[in-house]
Amino acid sequence: DGGITQSPKYLFRKEGQNVTLSCEQNLNHDAMYWYRQDPGQGLRLIYYSQIVNDFQKGDIAEGYSVSREKKESFPLTVTSAQKNPTAFYLCASSTRQPSSNQPQHFGDGTRLSIL
Amino acid sequence: GENVEQHPSTLSVQEGDSAVIKCTYSDSASNYFPWYKQELGKRPQLIIDIRSNVGEKKDQRIAVTLNKTAKHFSLHITETQPEDSAVYFCAAGNQGGKLIFGQGTELSVKP
Repeated sequence: DGGITQSPKYLFRKEGQNVTLSCEQNLNHDAMYWYRQDPGQGLRLIYYSQIVNDFQKGDIAEGYSVSREKKESFPLTVTSAQKNPTAFYLCASSTRQPSSNQPQHFGDGTRLSIL
Repeated sequence: GENVEQHPSTLSVQEGDSAVIKCTYSDSASNYFPWYKQELGKRPQLIIDIRSNVGEKKDQRIAVTLNKTAKHFSLHITETQPEDSAVYFCAAGNQGGKLIFGQGTELSVKP
């Protein structure tokens, strides 16, 4: 979906360094999500945000932080506390309706590796 | 906790045959079940979804069935083509907006 842009495509982290992954959407979606994908595994939810200035932890939030200051942006910071950060990170967004789930649409992902 | 089990992990079929992928979910509050197709190194793409008030949904060669009592849903692909080769993920979601994904099925369609 061209409406969700993740950058950079590839990112390398040094030991003890924090890095920030960018996710921008122009779909006017209220909800945004961050997933981690390891080889041969499914997607695991890190953080999600249903509305600006609010976000919730997913299943594997430890070592990560997010902010949601603008509707179109949901950056993810991988902190030095995340000891195994090498993975493919996917951002998604969806419309938000109180009574039902809506389809999530994904960006192209960022591949993070340790130097 | 919430869990989605997906089987098989790999599936190889001949072109023209059918492929079936099965998922089981644990959260009885789940009411939304999407299926995604992911080609190597690319983003997951939504191919079909079903809600809990429907038992079956079709879109050309793709169909999904849902058995709420058994907490089981399946993806059926008929007349498979080599371009169907990819990893397929099922997921289950509730009103909270979270999706729980299965582990994925690598489908290989041999010409």
